[in-house]
Amino acid sequence: DAKTTQPPSMDCAEGRAANLPCNHSTISGNEYVYWYRQIHSQGPQYIIHGLKNNETNEMASLIITEDRKSSTLILPHATLRDTAVYYCIVRPGGYSSASKIIFGSGTRLSIRP
Amino acid sequence: DAGVIQSPRHEVTEMGQEVTLRCKPISGHDYLFWYRQTMMRGLELLIYFNNNVPIDDSGMPEDRFSAKMPNASFSTLKIQPSEPRDSAVYFCASSPPWVKVAGELFFGEGSRLTVL
Repeated sequence: DAKTTQPPSMDCAEGRAANLPCNHSTISGNEYVYWYRQIHSQGPQYIIHGLKNNETNEMASLIITEDRKSSTLILPHATLRDTAVYYCIVRPGGYSSASKIIFGSGTRLSIRP
Repeated sequence: DAGVIQSPRHEVTEMGQEVTLRCKPISGHDYLFWYRQTMMRGLELLIYFNNNVPIDDSGMPEDRFSAKMPNASFSTLKIQPSEPRDSAVYFCASSPPWVKVAGELFFGEGSRLTVL
């Protein structure tokens, strides 16, 4: 499985867009990019995933570069409740691969009032 | 729908005692995962099941740890005997089949274990 690199911490002002980067330079063609977050003392929560195209849902947007070696998670209007650790994960697709999701150390995002 | 349900939420025990953590996955999910989280090591995958069958237990730290899934709606993680270094938050997660959705994990609220 490809590994990911994320900054250990970031901060963002409330109401502004939070842009969280992730490098995955060894990603292979069948690997998806997933983002999860973990709010203090809770279980991780799925945010969004993508393969090649940019994706958007009610929580966030995912921008994947054309060469797929990096991606950015965008929280368009950050609130204090978005303070959490954000994990970027790559994993293979396919039926047999609803399997190992390996969490790295993530980015600790702090939203300041 | 009820999410993944774990019990107990908190457990304090003494070294050498047996600990059993329980998990009820979301109905219809056929993958079940046990993770452990500590400050030092982060989130570690211990074992996962598909259709009640253990697929990969390479993350289980040692023979003191065992996990079972006797049916689709119940799994246990047992530590016997427990040691202080087992103190951690243990998360259970379940996932629907890949062919239905993209296989994202749904986590329970965790069981916080303290071994004195």
